[in-house]
Amino acid sequence: AQSVTQLDSHVSVSEGTPVLLRCNYSSSYSPSLFWYVQHPNKGLQLLLKYTSAATLVKGINGFEAEFKKSETSFHLTKPSAHMSDAAEYFCVVSDRSGTGKLIFGQGTTLQVKP
Amino acid sequence: NAGVMQNPRHLVRRRGQEARLRCSPMKGHSHVYWYRQLPEEGLKFMVYLQKENIIDESGMPKERFSAEFPKEGPSILRIQQVVRGDSAAYFCASSQGSDQPQHFGDGTRLSIL
Repeated sequence: AQSVTQLDSHVSVSEGTPVLLRCNYSSSYSPSLFWYVQHPNKGLQLLLKYTSAATLVKGINGFEAEFKKSETSFHLTKPSAHMSDAAEYFCVVSDRSGTGKLIFGQGTTLQVKP
Repeated sequence: NAGVMQNPRHLVRRRGQEARLRCSPMKGHSHVYWYRQLPEEGLKFMVYLQKENIIDESGMPKERFSAEFPKEGPSILRIQQVVRGDSAAYFCASSQGSDQPQHFGDGTRLSIL
C-alpha cells in the first residue's frame, strides 16, 4: 500500500532564505507524487506533480521537488522564501488501484518570518 | 473558467439534524472525489464518483453518510443524524480522469452544536 510521511510538522524560515520541506514515500509501484499547498480557510492548490518523467519537477511560485528513488524521497524546495509562502503543505501519493484517490501526508506548516 | 464550487462554505447543524454538502465540478470534469479534514489531521479520502455511479466508497463511514453525483446537477455529500465528531472541513475535488490532477474546492466547514 502507498503512504507518505512528512518528516516535519512545522518549519520556520526567514524571508529570503531557502525552504526545504521533507517527504518520504512508500510504494510498491512507481508512484505518482504531488505537493499541494493550503492557505488558511482555502482549498488545496496543486504546486507540482511527478509522474515518472523527469526526476526534477518544477512547479508554480518557484517551488521544485526532486524524486529520489534510492532514498524514497520527494522533498520540496524553494531557493528564497516569500511571506506569501506561509501555509500548510501536503505531500501526496496517488493510489494506484485505478481510482486515482489521493493519500495525504500529515502536512507541514511553513512559517516565514520577516 | 470557474473552478470547483462548494457550498455552503460554512454549515452549522445541531446534533441529530441532516447536513447536505454540494460540489459542482470544474467544467468538463466528470470525476468527483470527497475528502474530509478532521481537526489536527490530514485529509482522508471518503468517496469517488463518476456521473451517476459510485466507484469507490471505501473511505465512507458505514452509517449515516451517503454521496451521489446525478446526471444533472452537483454532487451531494449527505450526513444524516449528525454528531459532534462529524465537525470537520469537507473538500471536493474534480478531475477529467482518474489519472489526471485533481482540482480542489475551498471546502465546506461543518460545525455541529
